[in-house]
Amino acid sequence: SYVLTQPPSVSVAPGKTARITCGGNNIASKSVHWYQQKPGQAPVLVIYYDSDRPSGIPERFSGSNSGNTATLTISRVEAGDEADYYCQVWDSSRDHVIFGGGTKLTVL
Amino acid sequence: QVQLVQSGAEVKKPGASVKVSCKASGYTFTSYDVNWVRQATGQGLEWMGWMNPNTGNIGFAQKFQGRVTITRNTSISTAYMEMSSLRSEDTAVYYCARGFGDYDNYYYMDVWGKGTTVTVSS
Repeated sequence: SYVLTQPPSVSVAPGKTARITCGGNNIASKSVHWYQQKPGQAPVLVIYYDSDRPSGIPERFSGSNSGNTATLTISRVEAGDEADYYCQVWDSSRDHVIFGGGTKLTVL
Repeated sequence: QVQLVQSGAEVKKPGASVKVSCKASGYTFTSYDVNWVRQATGQGLEWMGWMNPNTGNIGFAQKFQGRVTITRNTSISTAYMEMSSLRSEDTAVYYCARGFGDYDNYYYMDVWGKGTTVTVSS
């Protein structure tokens, strides 16, 4: 089955840039979507189709996808960005949703 | 506005069943899938399955096949997830989420319910 690998944690100082990776075999051939989840809340879609932002998501959030790695980039990080972030793809061979294990973003 | 409203928290004994509802509003219920995702305390998101409310087509993660049923009532724009033979490991928050995609190159979930806590304890 298809596996998505994320680092368990990423730390960044306020105002800096955070990059959260999502690894998968030839992931560039898939569309990658990203969710933000704050404690006690439901996930929120922040990036879809690798790099598109839903309405209401700040331009500071961007995404890319190449080779075996997709990346969620958060520019000018704010304290309010502290959350867990999950990548997700569709496994068309089994008609399944696949989530990465999640990355906890800590704002120092 | 577009939203998914889930039923309230449940406490069940091991071996029992639980049925969680998810009522859609603000959009045409039959135009989007409904997915079920669960999350144990301190753990990541675990996808359980999906349903197309228009066709009734469903799909499950292998570990839930045979133990989880997903149904819908289109007249009241509500989807249901029922899990049987509950065990302590099923204690989690269960989310419904609106799904959209082509079942080939892309599929994502753009609207989520607030979650339903299911506690399995003797």
